[in-house]
Parts: sequence; structure tokens; C-alpha cells
Amino acid sequence: DQQVKQNSPSLSVQEGRISILNCDYTNSMFDYFLWYKKYPAEGPTFLISISSIKDKNEDGRFTVFLNKSAKHLSLHIVPSQPGDSAVYFCAASARGGSNYKLTFGKGTLLTVNP
Amino acid sequence: KAGVTQTPRYLIKTRGQQVTLSCSPISGHRSVSWYQQTPGQGLQFLFEYFSETQRNKGNFPGRFSGRQFSNSRSEMNVSTLELGDSALYLCASSLAQGTYGYTFGSGTRLTVV
Repeated sequence: DQQVKQNSPSLSVQEGRISILNCDYTNSMFDYFLWYKKYPAEGPTFLISISSIKDKNEDGRFTVFLNKSAKHLSLHIVPSQPGDSAVYFCAASARGGSNYKLTFGKGTLLTVNP
Repeated sequence: KAGVTQTPRYLIKTRGQQVTLSCSPISGHRSVSWYQQTPGQGLQFLFEYFSETQRNKGNFPGRFSGRQFSNSRSEMNVSTLELGDSALYLCASSLAQGTYGYTFGSGTRLTVV
């Protein structure tokens, strides 16, 4: 049973445009969500997080939106740059991050074309 | 400060053998967690260690085990290797129990032939 789903295995966008990566979850206990970026042969790198008490969090070019009623979150990257090309993982945790593990989606490969 | 260090980076083993992977957390971090990444299953939680004790375990067979030392360094062991154990094994450390502030290492790529 996949509790965190990233339904798009890949996404291709032009440099300078917006990239929107989507994630759905099924477990109502999840209340802390994170996005990680991963390059080949490297570990995941934390990008941005959001707590369920908020519906939006911004950090520079990255914004995460959370729709609790739809159990859906999205990551917006504006403007997209070629260096953003990587696999993006959505992850969720319970108890505000104090839970012992993250539950990951299977990732979306983002390609930003110059 | 140094990040999470995993050794070795790459490993090739034969079916039936056993393997030990090592993880050195960020200085001061006391919690170490292990994840397995495969193309089909994504990242899946293996286990978590805190203060030299396994606190939580994921849904993996008993062939997967680990330990944590007094300096917080952790090792993971897989016995009787199967082809399906080929994966990237990632270690993450954090100051305390829980996922807040997780920092991942670069992983150990294990290939079982």
C-alpha cells in the first residue's frame, strides 16, 4: 500500500518556466511533509518542508503548497534552471516530524532544458 | 562540518555472501536511520538506531540487521545476499529521534551477482 504517491515519473520543462511537481498521500496521520532533491550517485538533499498547520511555504525559487482536504501537495520551482534537473522525492511524516521514519514517494525526474 | 559519511561507496558481492556497510553521522547527531532505494520500490525505511539501541524497524527480513556504537557510528549487515538486495543503501542522521533535520549520506551502491 503506497501511502505517498508521485504519479508523474518524469517532467520536462524549459529553462525560465515554472516546474510543478505533484504528490498525493493517503495516511491522515501525516502532518509534516518534505521535498528532497537527488542527483545520481548522491544522497537526497533536503529542499523545503511544510507543516500541516500551514498551506504554503516559500524559500527562494521553491514554494510548497499543501491541500489537506485533497491530501495533495505540490512543489513549484520558479524560474526553473538547468541545475534543477534531478529526481525530486516527496516525503511525509507523522507527529510533526518526531515520528521515526519518512515515507517517500517514488520520485519524479525533472529535466530542465536550456 | 563534515556530512554523513558512508563507506564503501560501491560494493559487488555474490549471492549467499554477507556484507557490512558503515555510516558515520554528523558530529553530535545521535540518531542514525537506514533506507533502501530500489527503482521499483523507491526509498524504504530499514531501521533506526538511537543511543546504541534499535528503536524502530521496517518491513524487512531478519537477514537485515544493524548496530550502533557508542560514538553513534552505525553498521548495517545483510546476510545470505539475494539478487533482490541490489540497491542503494542510504543512511540518515539527526540530532535526536525523529526525522526533523534528517541529513542523508551519499549511499552505498550494492550489487549482488
